[in-house]
Amino acid sequence: DVKVTQSSRYLVKRTGEKVFLECVQDMDHENMFWYRQDPGLGLRLIYFSYDVKMKEKGDIPEGYSVSREKKERFSLILESASTNQTSMYLCASGRDRSSYNSPLHFGNGTRLTVT
Amino acid sequence: AQSVSQHNHHVILSEAASLELGCNYSYGGTVNLFWYVQYPGQHLQLLLKYFSGDPLVKGIKGFEAEFIKSKFSFNLRKPSVQWSDTAEYFCAVTLLLAGSARQLTFGSGTQLTVLP
Repeated sequence: DVKVTQSSRYLVKRTGEKVFLECVQDMDHENMFWYRQDPGLGLRLIYFSYDVKMKEKGDIPEGYSVSREKKERFSLILESASTNQTSMYLCASGRDRSSYNSPLHFGNGTRLTVT
Repeated sequence: AQSVSQHNHHVILSEAASLELGCNYSYGGTVNLFWYVQYPGQHLQLLLKYFSGDPLVKGIKGFEAEFIKSKFSFNLRKPSVQWSDTAEYFCAVTLLLAGSARQLTFGSGTQLTVLP
């Protein structure tokens, strides 16, 4: 069974701090994604990656960056955390790009609070 | 840009009632359609999916969804809900560009509460 692991379940950071959210998948998936989930807004795509060292902006990339140095790991970085980045962050992975029809597998999420 | 609309934000039903959750999308091309579910305290998981063929698709736990292309809709149904169906349900769409799918776009979600 596919496992997507997010390093922290809950995180509290101060405004202006640099924040790293880590995600690891164990199924050799090429595609990895970062979403944020907010009440009434559903899931919104921040960044995604189709391959190592490759990244593409999603719908709301402002204030975020990502890193994919290894295939199994996809990191989301908040360069200078702000209170409007308080949210639930979900990582997901999926099979290769040519068979993107396969469903995404999600991690349990990281609830980030920025004070 | 494509968008996905789920008009019901919160639905409350009694056990054994029938369920229909609406989902509409705004893209006119070829799409792949999904329903995901998030049970309390758990991660998002796939409920069912439509790629092509029979527009009525069946998923896990007795759920089904019907793709109506003319209405740009992919509504989720279940004839008789159970208390354990209490969860948040998300519709999602992937549009196909030159045969290669792009990323999923999710709706805002519908919270279903089933009263025992």
